[in-house]
Amino acid sequence: GENVEQHPSTLSVQEGDSAVIKCTYSDSASNYFPWYKQELGKRPQLIIDIRSNVGEKKDQRIAVTLNKTAKHFSLHITETQPEDSAVYFCAARGRGNEKLTFGTGTRLTIIP
Amino acid sequence: EAQVTQNPRYLITVTGKKLTVTCSQNMNHEYMSWYRQDPGLGLRQIYYSMNVEVTDKGDVPEGYKVSRKEKRNFPLILESPSPNQTSLYFCASSLQGRGDTQYFGPGTRLTVL
Repeated sequence: GENVEQHPSTLSVQEGDSAVIKCTYSDSASNYFPWYKQELGKRPQLIIDIRSNVGEKKDQRIAVTLNKTAKHFSLHITETQPEDSAVYFCAARGRGNEKLTFGTGTRLTIIP
Repeated sequence: EAQVTQNPRYLITVTGKKLTVTCSQNMNHEYMSWYRQDPGLGLRQIYYSMNVEVTDKGDVPEGYKVSRKEKRNFPLILESPSPNQTSLYFCASSLQGRGDTQYFGPGTRLTVL
C-alpha cells in the first residue's frame, strides 16, 4: 500500500519568513495530494490540494509543488504569520482511488 | 450549515465498558470514515464506509466496530475498550470514495482507564 513520509516533524520560523514542508510517497500511481491544517484543539481542514496532472498550485501565500518523478510534494508558506502556527498534514491518494494515506504531521511554530 | 458532527466530544470510561461514538453528516456524502490521531503517528484510518450497509477495514480496525444503516450516520463502537484505545477520534465524510477531500468532524477525545 501507499506509504507517506513527512519532514520535518517540527519547524520553527521567524514571522515573515517562508516555511517549507516536504512529503514523499511510495505509490507511483498516486494522483491526488491534499494538505490539511490542524490548529490546536481543532479538526483538520483542507488548505490546498494538487492533482498529478499539474506541477504547482498557488493560493495566496500558500503553494504546493509536485515532483512525480521523484515522488515528492511540498507545501510552501510565504510571509508567515502567527496564525499559520498549526500542525500540517500531507496525504496521498493511492492506486485506483483507494485510501487517503496521511503523513505523520509537521508542527509549525511562527516566532513573532 | 454543511457539517459533520460527533458525540460525545469528551469521554472518560473504564476498561471493558462498551461505548459508542456517534457521527452524523448533513451533506449527503456517500463515503464516511473514522480516524484515530495519536502523537507522532498522524491520522490512521480505522474503518470506512462507501455507502449504506457497505463497510470495510482501514489500517487499524482491531477493537472497533462500525455500522452504516443510514447514509448520514456512521457510529463507532468499542465493545470492550482498552487503555491503548485512548486517543483522539475523528469522523470524516466525502462526496465519493476514500480519496476525495475529507471533511472532518470536531473530534472525540476518549480516555480509557
